[in-house]
Amino acid sequence: GDSVTQTEGLVTLTEGLPVMLNCTYQSTYSPFLFWYVQHLNEAPKLLLKSFTDNKRPEHQGFHATLHKSSSSFHLQKSSAQLSDSALYYCALSEGGSSGNKLIFGIGTLLSVKP
Amino acid sequence: EAGVTQSPRYAVLQEGQAVSFWCDPISGHDTLYWYQQPRDQGPQLLVYFRDEAVIDNSQLPSDRFSAVRPKGTNSTLKIQSAKQGDTATYLCASSLDRIEVFFGKGTRLTVV
Repeated sequence: GDSVTQTEGLVTLTEGLPVMLNCTYQSTYSPFLFWYVQHLNEAPKLLLKSFTDNKRPEHQGFHATLHKSSSSFHLQKSSAQLSDSALYYCALSEGGSSGNKLIFGIGTLLSVKP
Repeated sequence: EAGVTQSPRYAVLQEGQAVSFWCDPISGHDTLYWYQQPRDQGPQLLVYFRDEAVIDNSQLPSDRFSAVRPKGTNSTLKIQSAKQGDTATYLCASSLDRIEVFFGKGTRLTVV
C-alpha cells in the first residue's frame, strides 16, 4: 500500500542555518504530496502542496520539490527561525474522485535554538 | 471563516467506559474525516464521509468504534468500550475540494 517515510524524528538547528526535512513515498499512482505543520496544542495546518504544473510550491520561506524519479518531496528553507519550531508531517493523497485519503508520515520535530 | 470545531478538548476514561467526540466542520465542506493520532505518530485515518455517506471505514475498529454524520454536517465518533490502546488524539478534518484538508485541534483521550 501507499506509505510515507520521514527518516528524522528530531532535527535540532541553530537559528539562521538552512533546514531540510526528508520525505520519501511509495504509491501505485501519481499522488499529491503535502507538508503539514503542527505547533504545540494546535491543529495540523497545510504548509505546502505539490502541483502538477512543475511549479515549486513556496510558503513562509519554505519550499519543496516533487521528484518523481526518486519519490521524494523534501522540505527546505534557507534560514531557520525560532518560530519554525514545530512538528512537520509529510503526507500523500492519490486524490481523484474517491476523495482525499491523506496518508501521513510519522513526523519530524524541528527544534530551532538561538 | 470559522475553522473545524471539536469537543471536548480532553477526556480521561477508565477502561470499559464509553465516550463520544463531536465535530463541526467548516461550513459547506462536504467531506469530513476522523483521524487517530497516537502519541509520537502521524495521524491515521479512521473513517471519512462525503455528505452523510461513509466512503471508507476500513480502518475503524467496528466492534467498538462508530461514526455518524446524519445530516451531512456535524459528526460524532463514539468509542463503546475504551481500551488503554485507544489513548490518542482524535482529529476531525474537513475539505471541499478534496485536496486541501483543514483540521480541528483534536480531542486528547487518555484511557487509564
